[in-house]
Amino acid sequence: GAVVSQHPSWVICKSGTSVKIECRSLDFQATTMFWYRQFPKQSLMLMATSNEGSKATYEQGVEKDKFLINHASLTLSTLTVTSAHPEDSSFYICSARRYEQFFGPGTRLTVL
Amino acid sequence: DAKTTQPTSMDCAEGRAANLPCNHSTISGNEYVYWYRQIHSQGPQYIIHGLKNNETNEMASLIITEDRKSSTLILPHATLRDTAVYYCIVRVADTGNQFYFGTGTSLTVIP
Repeated sequence: GAVVSQHPSWVICKSGTSVKIECRSLDFQATTMFWYRQFPKQSLMLMATSNEGSKATYEQGVEKDKFLINHASLTLSTLTVTSAHPEDSSFYICSARRYEQFFGPGTRLTVL
Repeated sequence: DAKTTQPTSMDCAEGRAANLPCNHSTISGNEYVYWYRQIHSQGPQYIIHGLKNNETNEMASLIITEDRKSSTLILPHATLRDTAVYYCIVRVADTGNQFYFGTGTSLTVIP
């Protein structure tokens, strides 16, 4: 199947700093990518839909100024968690659609 | 918002068939049933999907009832590596629409 990668796979940062997570579709072009967040022992929660060349669409309750999404090319979307706080610690997962949706391996963010 | 209900957890003996049920009583005519699974601390993995006919691939079989209000994912010979959370999702296929995940079923394959 299609391959979606994420970088980094894990990151630890201090409270107040910003963290950028990359999502790449390695062998196909994706006009739409999705970002999810998953807290321990919970299901995936959709945060936003990332559209190449246009603004992202955020789910209700997700702060667009805190979670900045950029989809500058057909193979790359980035999620920047700005001014991260401990409550932002989570597992962040992206997905990209080819003929079906394929998910990245996830990024574990820990904010101290 | 998820449109499916699944049991919270299930156990299955290694080598036996694992049958995972899913209820989707409000499914629309153009919505497909998708199954994904998530092994601990990894991204979800696509398993199978179908509209109304039963489907089979190298990983699993999907049985959809005639009224389409429920379905069952069958792993024919469960192995320890099949231990994961299994998600049943309904959505319109071939669109850019996002997936909304429910709580899923935590399957434990027991040696």
